[in-house]
Order: sequence, then structure tokens, then C-alpha cells
Amino acid sequence: EAAVTQSPRNKVTVTGGNVTLSCRQTNSHNYMYWYRQDTGHGLRLIHYSYGAGNLQIGDVPDGYKATRTTQEDFFLLLELASPSQTSLYFCASSENPGQNTLYFGAGTRLSVL
Amino acid sequence: QQKVQQSPESLSVPEGGMASLNCTSSDRNFQYFWWYRQHSGEGPKALMSIFSDGDKKEGRFTAHLNKASLHVSLHIRDSQPSDSALYFCAASLFTGGADRLTFGKGTQLIIQP
Repeated sequence: EAAVTQSPRNKVTVTGGNVTLSCRQTNSHNYMYWYRQDTGHGLRLIHYSYGAGNLQIGDVPDGYKATRTTQEDFFLLLELASPSQTSLYFCASSENPGQNTLYFGAGTRLSVL
Repeated sequence: QQKVQQSPESLSVPEGGMASLNCTSSDRNFQYFWWYRQHSGEGPKALMSIFSDGDKKEGRFTAHLNKASLHVSLHIRDSQPSDSALYFCAASLFTGGADRLTFGKGTQLIIQP
């Protein structure tokens, strides 16, 4: 099965702090995604990419930056973290998101105090 | 506006019973529909896809798609305690470029032993 690895698994930071969430996939998938999951909101797309150097804006991009450095690695950056960004973050990858399965990582739980 | 709406928010079914989950899309451009399942503490995993009108059966799971009414449903027969999870409906359109999957808010399914 396709492997998507997220790090760290848990992170606590303070308001105004700088946070980087990492994601690596070893399946040579073109597409990679960052979602946040909040109770009552389901999974909401933050940013995504369909190849190294490519970036696309999702539905809830405010306060987040992303960078796709290689085919395998996709990073989510919170440069001035706020309590509203306390959430469970998932990275996912896919060959083609419509017709092919999205493979999710185990998630990163972020708390902004 | 939520483009993918799920109902009910929560559903309790006795073990061995039938669970029925519903999903409605507000975007007629969606072509591909998926059901994902998330057990507590894990990332979501693809359960099944349906791309054509009608029924698709995989074991105890049957998905039904009606593109004219933009309605997708998932039926689980002979429900097992291991089916207790959060179920997401997701939809995608094919653009040949920056494709993405849009998720609903989820239905929490509880199977009562």
C-alpha cells in the first residue's frame, strides 16, 4: 500500500510561533495535498500540488504557506501561528485524485496556545 | 456553501443491521464520487468509488449514484462493530490539471453490539 509519512505527529506552539509540518510520500505520486480536520467541518483543503515546484490554493489557505521541494516532499508552513489553527492536519497523495485513491498519512495534531 | 453535503451527521445501527448514508452534491460538474472511512486515531482510507449511474457492490458495501439528482448513497449490510467509524463522501471533477477532491463533513456511524 502507498506510504505517506507525516512529521511531527504532535506539535505544541505558542501564538505567533513558527511551525513547519512535513510530509513525504514514496509512491511517485504527482498530487499531494494538505487538509485540516475540525469537528463539524470535515476535511478542508488548505493547499495542494501536482508536481515539484507547483502550488495550488485550496479552500482555506489564509495563514498557511506550502512548498513542494521534490516529488516526494510537501511542507506546510505556519509563520505566525494563531489559536484558530489548532487542528488535526492530514497530508495525502494520489496519482490522479478523481479516478485514483487518495492515500492519507496518520496526521499531525497541532495545538497553538 | 458546502459543495458536498452529507446526512445524517450521526447514525446508530444495531450489529447485523443495515446502515444507509447519504450525500448530495451542489456542483453538476463533479464526475467522480468516493466514500472514505476514518477509524478513530487514523487517517481516512478509501472505501470505494463510483463513477457511473447505478449501483456498485463490494462485499457488504453498496454505493448508489444518481447524477441527475446529484445524489450518492452508501449502504452497509450486516453491519459489524468494526464498521464504526467516520464516513466521508468526496467528489472530484476532471480538468486534466489541478484536480482535487472535495469532502463532505462526514457521518459518524456507530454500530451497537
